[in-house]
Amino acid sequence: DAGVTQSPTHLIKTRGQQVTLRCSPKSGHDTVSWYQQALGQGPQFIFQYYEEEERQRGNFPDRFSGHQFPNYSSELNVNALLLGDSALYLCASSPGGRWSGNYGYTFGSGTRLTVV
Amino acid sequence: AQSVTQLDSQVPVFEEAPVELRCNYSSSVSVYLFWYVQYPNQGLQLLLKYLSGSTLVESINGFEAEFNKSQTSFHLRKPSVHISDTAEYFCAVSDSYSSASKIIFGSGTRLSIRP
Repeated sequence: DAGVTQSPTHLIKTRGQQVTLRCSPKSGHDTVSWYQQALGQGPQFIFQYYEEEERQRGNFPDRFSGHQFPNYSSELNVNALLLGDSALYLCASSPGGRWSGNYGYTFGSGTRLTVV
Repeated sequence: AQSVTQLDSQVPVFEEAPVELRCNYSSSVSVYLFWYVQYPNQGLQLLLKYLSGSTLVESINGFEAEFNKSQTSFHLRKPSVHISDTAEYFCAVSDSYSSASKIIFGSGTRLSIRP
């Protein structure tokens, strides 16, 4: 049973460009959350998707957007990249829909984004 | 809103010594608490969680954590550590009432084991 799958694993982009990161949740999970983890820091919540809608959002600008597809997979899009967007982007999935936080999350290995 | 404070950014210990990683949380509502572990170049793995019931929870690899509501703490302990326990440990919290609860993480504690 595959866990959470993220692609690509590494990415280098130029400041001002746009990037799309992808996530396939663990089988049976319907909720996807995205986190940004800067070097030496804890993961910061970006947003959460359930039933193809953004359910909650952290303190991130509108340059960060996302999407969830009918098969529960998800994309994270970042526009107008800044040097400060360089980080490990983690996708996490969970079951339970409306009470997903109670189960804990299953994390992918992340996408390492470097903005130069 | 919830928040998590991990009091130590780094904890060095000798192999086979006991260790405690400290975590305090802040919340105006009842919470669920988690400890996650992150090995180098990997994502986070759930180590243990407290949802309700017994305040002492255990993991399969010898770690345990105790929920202390009066002190708003959820410290992680292990009586004897191994080299393989070297990793970053994150304490996390979510509220137990919101229908769309998210998990909030602390800044992490780096556990380094010396032989």
